[in-house]
Parts: sequence; structure tokens; C-alpha cells
Amino acid sequence: AQSVTQLDSQVPVFEEAPVELRCNYSSSVSVYLFWYVQYPNQGLQLLLKYLSGSTLVKGINGFEAEFNKSQTSFHLRKPSVHISDTAEYFCAVILANRDDKIIFGKGTRLHILP
Amino acid sequence: DAGVTQSPTHLIKTRGQQVTLRCSPKSGHDTVSWYQQALGQGPQFIFQYYEEEERQRGNFPDRFSGHQFPNYSSELNVNALLLGDSALYLCASSLSAGRGYTGELFFGEGSRLTVL
Repeated sequence: AQSVTQLDSQVPVFEEAPVELRCNYSSSVSVYLFWYVQYPNQGLQLLLKYLSGSTLVKGINGFEAEFNKSQTSFHLRKPSVHISDTAEYFCAVILANRDDKIIFGKGTRLHILP
Repeated sequence: DAGVTQSPTHLIKTRGQQVTLRCSPKSGHDTVSWYQQALGQGPQFIFQYYEEEERQRGNFPDRFSGHQFPNYSSELNVNALLLGDSALYLCASSLSAGRGYTGELFFGEGSRLTVL
């Protein structure tokens, strides 16, 4: 069965600094990968997704992620964060081309320091 | 175009009671999934409904049951509530594989259940 591990439960970063949120997955077959964001007291919103093709995926709000098959990673990056990026970020995986359940990581809380 | 809507947004129950949560999917979506999100945790998959049947189920006891109606809306029922059932319950809708499913889920804002 597939699984996903988010390596950091919290990441503090100064405003306008770059940030990387780490995600590793485990699966014996092809997968689709996602990053979702959850702002306080809200549901989850899709940031970006990797289905196939280019390994560098660009999403909303200036975020991007790179799929690395050899390292089974899908790290999320942003070159310059803003206070409005304060949220919980979830990496998620699903088996490709199947009606399967999406498995979420435990989340990484991004804390922006002024 | 209305997104995923859930009701109620907040509710308080006592141990042993039963609760029903409701979800209307995004327009055009035929598949509904339910997730439980405990405080400080990622969403945990409860079950998924398609064509009015439970298609997949996560590791949750039979106290958790659901239903999908012909208009694709869905209910989550939890019987004999325990303190540990306190959580945010998220509904997510999507398209089935035959209709262009790519794994993307559209979430509602959730129903926050507190069990006392």
C-alpha cells in the first residue's frame, strides 16, 4: 500500500525568505502526487499536482514542487513567503489511473516570522 | 458554481449519541469521500461513495456508516459516539475514473464535531 511521510511537523521561516516543505512517498507502482493547503478553520485546497510529464510542477500562490522518482520525493518550494502563506500543508498520494483513496501525510505547519 | 457544501458546521454531542453529517458535492461530481481530521493530524480516509454504494472503506469501525443519494449528495452517520470521535469531518467530491478523474479532490469546509 502507498504511504506518504512529511518530514517536518513545523517549519518556521522569516517573511520573504525561501522555504521548502519535504515529502517522501512509498509505493511499488505509479502514483499521482498532490500538495494541499489548509488555512485556519477551512477545508483543504489543492496547491498543485503531479500526474505525469515534467517533473517540475507549478501551482497557485507561487508554489512549485519537484517530483523525484529515484528519491521518491515531492518537495514543495516557494522562493519568497508572505504572511498570508501561514497554513497547514499536506502532501498526498494516490495510485495512478485508479479510483483509489487518497492518502494524506500528517501535515507541516508553516509559520511565517515577521 | 457552488463548491462542496457541508452541514452543520459545528455541533456538540454527548457520548453514546448518534450524529448525521451532510454533504453536497461540487456540481458535476459523482463521487464523495469522507475524511476524519483529528486535531493536529492529517485527514484519515473513512469511506468513498459512488453510484450510491460504498466503494472503498478505511480503517474505521462499523459505527461509521454512510449513504449516497441519487443526486450524489451524501451523509455520514456515526453511532454510539466516543470522546475520540471529536474531530473535523471533511467531505470531498471528485469525478469518477470514467469521467476524467485525476485524483483531485474538492473539499468542503468541514463539520466540527465535539463529543463531551
